[in-house]
Amino acid sequence: GQNIDQPTEMTATEGAIVQINCTYQTSGFNGLFWYQQHAGEAPTFLSYNVLDGLEEKGRFSSFLSRSKGYSYLLLKELQMKDSASYLCAVRGAGKSTFGDGTTLTVKP
Amino acid sequence: EAGVTQFPSHSVIEKGQTVTLRCDPISGHDNLYWYRRVMGKEIKFLLHFVKESKQDESGMPNNRFLAERTGGTYSTLKVQPAELEDSGVYFCASSQGRGAFFGQGTRLTVV
Repeated sequence: GQNIDQPTEMTATEGAIVQINCTYQTSGFNGLFWYQQHAGEAPTFLSYNVLDGLEEKGRFSSFLSRSKGYSYLLLKELQMKDSASYLCAVRGAGKSTFGDGTTLTVKP
Repeated sequence: EAGVTQFPSHSVIEKGQTVTLRCDPISGHDNLYWYRRVMGKEIKFLLHFVKESKQDESGMPNNRFLAERTGGTYSTLKVQPAELEDSGVYFCASSQGRGAFFGQGTRLTVV
C-alpha cells in the first residue's frame, strides 16, 4: 500500500519562504506530484519529480529523495494568493494517492 | 479499496477518428476531474463534475471534446474528430473532500 504524511497546517508571512515536507512509503514508485488546491476548486498541478534532486519553476521548487522517501515543496516570495492546500501525491504500483494536504495560510 | 480506473490504458487512432475514454471513480466520490498532459507540457485541468453536473468545464479546449457523467458514476470523455495535437495522457481523478485520487491515465496517440 501507500502511506503519505505531510503537516496539516502551516502559517507564514507574505514575502517569506516556506517549505512543506512530505514523506511517503509506497510499493513501487513512479513519481511524486505536488498540487495546489484552493477551496472549492480542482487541484492544480505544480510539479512532478521522478528522479532525485531539485526541480525549480519560478517561485516554486520541489525536491525528491527516493532513498529517503522524502520530498519538499519550497515556496519563495510568498503572496497572499498562495494561501491554499498543498497536496503531495505519489504514483505507486497500480494507482496514484494523495496525502491529506497541508493548509498554508499566508498573513500580511 | 479499488482506485480510480481508466481505460483503455493506451489508444492509437488516426486523425479524424473518434475515441472515447472512460473513467470509473472511487465508489462514493461525488467529485470527478479530467486532466490532460500534452507532450512536454504541464498537466492541465479540463473539467470538474460534481455528481452528474458539470461544475467547471473551463479547461475544455474546444467543442471536439465532450464529457459526460450519466448517473453520477463513471464518466466518459469523447474526442471527435481527433486531431494530432490531441495526443497526450488523459488523467481522471476523484475526490470526496480535500485531496484526490488519480487514475493511471490513458495515453492517446493520434497519427
